[in-house]
Amino acid sequence: QVQLVQSGAEVKKPGASVKVSCKASGYTFRRHAISWVRQAPGQGHEWMGRISPYNGDIKFAQKFQGRVTMTTDISTNTAYMELTSLRSDDTAVYYCARDHHPIAVADMYFDSWGQGTLVTVSS
Amino acid sequence: QSVLTQPPSASGTPGQRVTISCSGSSSNIGSNHVYWYQQLPGTAPTLLIYRNDQRPSGVPDRFSGSKSGTSASLAISGLRSEDEADYYCAAWDDSAGVFGTGTKVTVL
Repeated sequence: QVQLVQSGAEVKKPGASVKVSCKASGYTFRRHAISWVRQAPGQGHEWMGRISPYNGDIKFAQKFQGRVTMTTDISTNTAYMELTSLRSDDTAVYYCARDHHPIAVADMYFDSWGQGTLVTVSS
Repeated sequence: QSVLTQPPSASGTPGQRVTISCSGSSSNIGSNHVYWYQQLPGTAPTLLIYRNDQRPSGVPDRFSGSKSGTSASLAISGLRSEDEADYYCAAWDDSAGVFGTGTKVTVL
């Protein structure tokens, strides 16, 4: 079955960076883009961006441009999201989600989600 | 930040029908597919409805989705205790994805 397993919780100081991993199994990794979504405590969800392991295409929400990096490692079926210059309002649970599509299309069709990674930013 | 507006809460007794609205605009719901996600307490979201009104395999037919103009709705008929969760709509909007504000469904 499809599984997305994310790395463990992180505690970071303001100004630091965090890198979250998302290891996929149960399907052909290149056939589905990976999106990253975050949910701040008591808040709704926020789409951050997506990356296609198929063609390397990446699309970010404008809010995160310049501060987020998304990569994939085909050899290990793993996607990564790195967020820099962390602030207290970056405290959130970060999810990876499998896109239905192989490329970065304008859609919100996520058919499988990781378990989430809590990132806490605190001095 | 959410541009899709949902009622914060909805409730019903077992067996009742509950409807959740999702209000958007021409740049999101009006021109793109709507998706619904269910988030049980302490867990990751799961896909409930895709492309406005389609159910993934495994989702009971008690759940149904619809879309009209710049609004969408999720209906839960025959409400059950295990339906108690947060529900979010989602759609593409110009250059980014957006989620709804979320609705907490309580089974009385």
